[in-house]
Amino acid sequence: QKEVEQNSGPLSVPEGAIASLNCTYSDRGSQSFFWYRQYSGKSPELIMSIYSNGDKEDGRFTAQLNKASQYVSLLIRDSQPSDSATYLCAVRGGNAGNMLTFGGGTRLMVKP
Amino acid sequence: NAGVTQTPKFQVLKTGQSMTLQCAQDMNHNSMYWYRQDPGMGLRLIYYSASEGTTDKGEVPNGYNVSRLNKREFSLRLESAAPSQTSVYFCASADSGVRSYEQYFGPGTRLTVT
Repeated sequence: QKEVEQNSGPLSVPEGAIASLNCTYSDRGSQSFFWYRQYSGKSPELIMSIYSNGDKEDGRFTAQLNKASQYVSLLIRDSQPSDSATYLCAVRGGNAGNMLTFGGGTRLMVKP
Repeated sequence: NAGVTQTPKFQVLKTGQSMTLQCAQDMNHNSMYWYRQDPGMGLRLIYYSASEGTTDKGEVPNGYNVSRLNKREFSLRLESAAPSQTSVYFCASADSGVRSYEQYFGPGTRLTVT
């Protein structure tokens, strides 16, 4: 079992819809959670970080964390074609020091 | 403020050749990382440096060496390149303190070993 799991997709949503991206992790002691966006041929870009249970909103993005169920999700409201990218979930494990473990990413396609 | 820079952007090597990938950051970050990204394998940590003067192995260190030259610079060396090392290599850095563990990535080096 991978430590951080994501559905590879592609997840296809129409423009203006809500895109919901999910990530599960295996280390119950994990403390820090991150979402990165990666456009094709480019490097990962940090878009959200979340450290405690609940929701964290930043513009059109909402990160949701449920430590009891060991999942973290990213909601993108009013999806735009420019949101089409691969979204990577990253988790800092309980004994990981400064290291992050990345999921394989979910490819999102927003259709006009 | 350039963030994290990497050189070169592209490189083609023959099997057995050596090369060094350079990384520098201007954000005064303590921690620096080297990853490789392969299709279907995601980002995998090769080596990291939690602070100047320290380096540690990550998930896939075999075939690589690193040097933390100073606080700004962290290089990755392939002593004898193999086709299995064909990949995209990313350097990242992270602060310590309140926003620690948030890693910021460079633009990447696309390496092909023939």
